[in-house]
Parts: sequence; structure tokens; C-alpha cells
Amino acid sequence: DTGVSQDPRHKITKRGQNVTFRCDPISEHNRLYWYRQTLGQGPEFLTYFQNEAQLEKSRLLSDRFSAERPKGSFSTLEIQRTEQGDSAMYLCASSFTGGNTEAFFGQGTRLTVV
Amino acid sequence: DAKTTQPTSMDCAEGRAANLPCNHSTISGNEYVYWYRQIHSQGPQYIIHGLKNNETNEMASLIITEDRKSSTLILPHATLRDTAVYYCIVRLTNAGKSTFGDGTTLTVKP
Repeated sequence: DTGVSQDPRHKITKRGQNVTFRCDPISEHNRLYWYRQTLGQGPEFLTYFQNEAQLEKSRLLSDRFSAERPKGSFSTLEIQRTEQGDSAMYLCASSFTGGNTEAFFGQGTRLTVV
Repeated sequence: DAKTTQPTSMDCAEGRAANLPCNHSTISGNEYVYWYRQIHSQGPQYIIHGLKNNETNEMASLIITEDRKSSTLILPHATLRDTAVYYCIVRLTNAGKSTFGDGTTLTVKP
């Protein structure tokens, strides 16, 4: 296992289109997190899962955003009717719940809405 | 999560120690201090964390003051590859989310 994997690495889409990103966590990690990062800012928390349960969602996660982790393994983040303000880096991370709980991040998916 | 305050930017000469400060005056007794760094165009990378004792690993040392209101991340021999944004985060060890600030941009100069 080489770490957290995100796909695609880059996505350019037209305003109004739907996009979906995938995250494959480190295989034995039961927690999975999504963050969004805009230029010059630190990552902002969006949501996290413990196994397949979505335990917390940020107010940043508008109703156009939905995240799933159906079998407690990989996760998808979908943005419907994209807006230019959605342009950002979307980061996924995973961790254990007990013991060492530091999160390991993927390389991110950079979304550009034109 | 307690709020943290870090300087916006710092410079360090290659081969010298880089000391990155973080203030977290509202930290609660069971909150840990975590440090991550982010090299340009990559995801954040975990460096180290601690509760009250000083910690050291292969990447860095973490010094936490006795009152736990501030900490310092030490990179003992900075290299050009240590140029990155360094984030100090305070949270419960088993908390779900981490609250990142804007971090400190460390530039290591030859």
C-alpha cells in the first residue's frame, strides 16, 4: 500500500457541470476525511467517515456537495452544478481511530471551474 | 479545537536549525499539539505530535512549554527540501477533524 490515492489529480469543468472525485485510503485505516484548500489558505475540513458512517459535515458542505463511503473503503465526493467558487484543491486523508491517529493525506484533486 | 497562532513566514539558512513557534493559549488539558507541513502542490505531511512531554522523531523535535500554551517545532539541520508551509494544530487525539490555520511559510536559503 503506497498511501492515500486520489483520482483524478486535475479536473477542469464548465460551470454547471457535475464532477466526482475518488479517494482510496490506506487500506487498514477506518477513518477518511475530505478537506478543501484554496490558494494561500490552509485546508478546510469538509466531512469525515468512520467506516461507512459519515460522522461530521462542515457547514461549508452545501447541498450541492455529497460524499459517500459505501463499503467503508474508498470514498467519492460529488459536486453538483459546479460554480467558479468551487475551484480549489480537494484533499483526502485517512487515519486509524485508536493509537496513532495522525492523518495521512493524498496528493489532492485540483478542480478548476471555467 | 483550540485556536493556534503562527508567524506568517520565516527564513532559515541551510544547515542551521529552524525553530517554528506556535501559540495555543486556549489549549485544554486533553488536547494534543500536531504539526504537519505542506510542500508546494502536495498534500500535507504529518511531522510529529505531543501532549506535554517533548517529543523527537527522525524528522523533527517538538518542545512544549510547561503551561502548554505554546510550542516550538525544531528542524535540527534544515535543508532546501524543508521549504514548505508548516501547520500547528491543536486537537483531541481521537477527534475527527483538524482545524488548519494559514501556517508558517518556511524558506530555507542556501
